[in-house]
Parts: sequence; C-alpha cells; structure tokens
Amino acid sequence: GENVEQHPSTLSVQEGDSAVIKCTYSDSASNYFPWYKQELGKRPQLIIDIRSNVGEKKDQRIAVTLNKTAKHFSLHITETQPEDSAVYFCAAKGYSTLTFGKGTMLLVSP
Amino acid sequence: DVKVTQSSRYLVKRTGEKVFLECVQDMDHENMFWYRQDPGLGLRLIYFSYDVKMKEKGDIPEGYSVSREKKERFSLILESASTNQTSMYLCASSLGGQGLGETQYFGPGTRLLVL
Repeated sequence: GENVEQHPSTLSVQEGDSAVIKCTYSDSASNYFPWYKQELGKRPQLIIDIRSNVGEKKDQRIAVTLNKTAKHFSLHITETQPEDSAVYFCAAKGYSTLTFGKGTMLLVSP
Repeated sequence: DVKVTQSSRYLVKRTGEKVFLECVQDMDHENMFWYRQDPGLGLRLIYFSYDVKMKEKGDIPEGYSVSREKKERFSLILESASTNQTSMYLCASSLGGQGLGETQYFGPGTRLLVL
C-alpha cells in the first residue's frame, strides 16, 4: 500500500517568515494530494490540494508543489502569522483511500 | 455547509466493555471513514464505507468492526475494549467521485479512554 513520509515533525518560525513542509509518497499511481490543517482541539480541515497533472497550486499565502518523478510534494506558507500555528497533515490518494503523513506541528512566534 | 457530528466528545470505558461510536453526516455523502489519531502517528484509517451496508478494512481494523445501515450514519464498534484502544477517534465523510468529491470533512472527534 501507500506510504507517506512527512518532515519535519515540528517547525518553529518567527512571524513573517516562510515555512515549508515536505512529504514523500511511495505509490506512483497516487494522483491526489491534499493538505489538512488541524488547530488545537479542533477537527482537521482541508486547506489546499493538488492533482498529479499539475505541478504547483497557490491560494493566497499558501502554495503546494508536486514533483511526480521524485514522488514528493511540499506545502509552502509565506508571511506566516500566529494563526497559522497548527498541525499540518499531508496525504496521498492512490486507488481508493487517503494515506496521511504523521503530521507537522508548526509554531509561529510573534 | 457540511456537518459531520459524533455522538460523544469524551468517553470513559472499562476494559472488556462493548463500545459504540456513532457518526452522522447531513450532506448525503457516499463515503464515510473512521480514523484514529495518536500523537506522532498521524491519522490511521480503521474502516471505510462507500455505500450503505458496505464496508472495507483500512490499515488497522483489528479489534474494530463497523456498521452502515443508513447512508448518513456510520458506527464504529469496539467489541471488547482494551487499553491500547485509548485514542482520539475521528469520523469523516466525502461526496465521492473525483475532484471536489474527494475532500474529506471531519467530525469533532471522540476522545476515548479505556481503563
């Protein structure tokens, strides 16, 4: 089955800095890659996703890039704000279900 | 606005008890999922369902069963709870199909403690 590795497990940045979270996947048939954000005590929510026929996608301060050849994808957050502090999960979908990474705890200090 | 609700936010049970966790979605979604979330392990899929009365094992189905008698309701059953099943349980649903249908909407979670 699919295996998703996510790094780093924790990331601390200063407000205004950029943050990058990286994921690798094992199944070359995977074609859908969402990112979920989970704030403390709340449910995970989709923030951005990308399909295998696209190399990059942006939504305001958030962008995701995908390298199919290397089987890795990344989340980029620019101009970080304290409200970006949360756990971020990447995921990959192959034949049927999503496989999630173990999560990255992002802490943005004012 | 999609709503996924779970029957309990917190639950305390004894070892050996039978435990029912209920999940209801109000958006006529085809797919429903049960995950457990543990620190450092992320979200792991226990079971999922693509249709009424249909179920498929996920990555960690041992010790669990599920029931989907109605489209909007997906139940997770711990036949005989054990301490290693102490965890946060998250239910999710998705419309189905490609594109927007793949977005999963999560419930608030049930934190289960097995003593």
